[in-house]
Amino acid sequence: GAVVSQHPSWVICKSGTSVKIECRSLDFQATTMFWYRQFPKQSLMLMATSNEGSKATYEQGVEKDKFLINHASLTLSTLTVTSAHPEDSSFYICSALSGSENNEQFFGPGTRLTVL
Amino acid sequence: GQNIDQPTEMTATEGAIVQINCTYQTSGFNGLFWYQQHAGEAPTFLSYNVLDGLEEKGRFSSFLSRSKGYSYLLLKELQMKDSASYLCAVMDSNYQLIWGAGTKLIIKP
Repeated sequence: GAVVSQHPSWVICKSGTSVKIECRSLDFQATTMFWYRQFPKQSLMLMATSNEGSKATYEQGVEKDKFLINHASLTLSTLTVTSAHPEDSSFYICSALSGSENNEQFFGPGTRLTVL
Repeated sequence: GQNIDQPTEMTATEGAIVQINCTYQTSGFNGLFWYQQHAGEAPTFLSYNVLDGLEEKGRFSSFLSRSKGYSYLLLKELQMKDSASYLCAVMDSNYQLIWGAGTKLIIKP
């Protein structure tokens, strides 16, 4: 199946700094990518939908100025957590739509962010 | 390499029972998750198994055998709303999620 990668796998940062997470579709082009966050043993919470070449669509309650999303190419979307705080510590997962007839969704391995 | 296998599609009848299997080969193991995903929606957490055995939660149960690299999700008293994709995911030794491709479950009246 299709592969989606994320980088970094985990990151620890100080409060107030910014962290960039990359999501790449390795063997297919993804017009649409999604960003989720997950707290332990909870459902994935959709943060935003990222469309290549246009502004991301954010879910209600997600601050677009804090979670900057850039989908500059058909294989790369980035999520930047700006001025991170301890409450932003979470597991961030991206996914990409294959664009095939079945419009399958492939998930990345996740990025564990810990803000000290 | 790391691999998660689950059937692509299953069909069952309303009111019946269905078992969705998941086998895995991963570098390390820190738990197995089952999610339900309706078309166009975010995946919903169903269960988390880290120890061998059966975890029951209402109509849904999840089983894990770490020695066999095997899990199943059991859905009882199927309802039409259970029609969805069911995703199996394993957290490896680096706490990374390895995802199965999902099983599309079709419920017929």
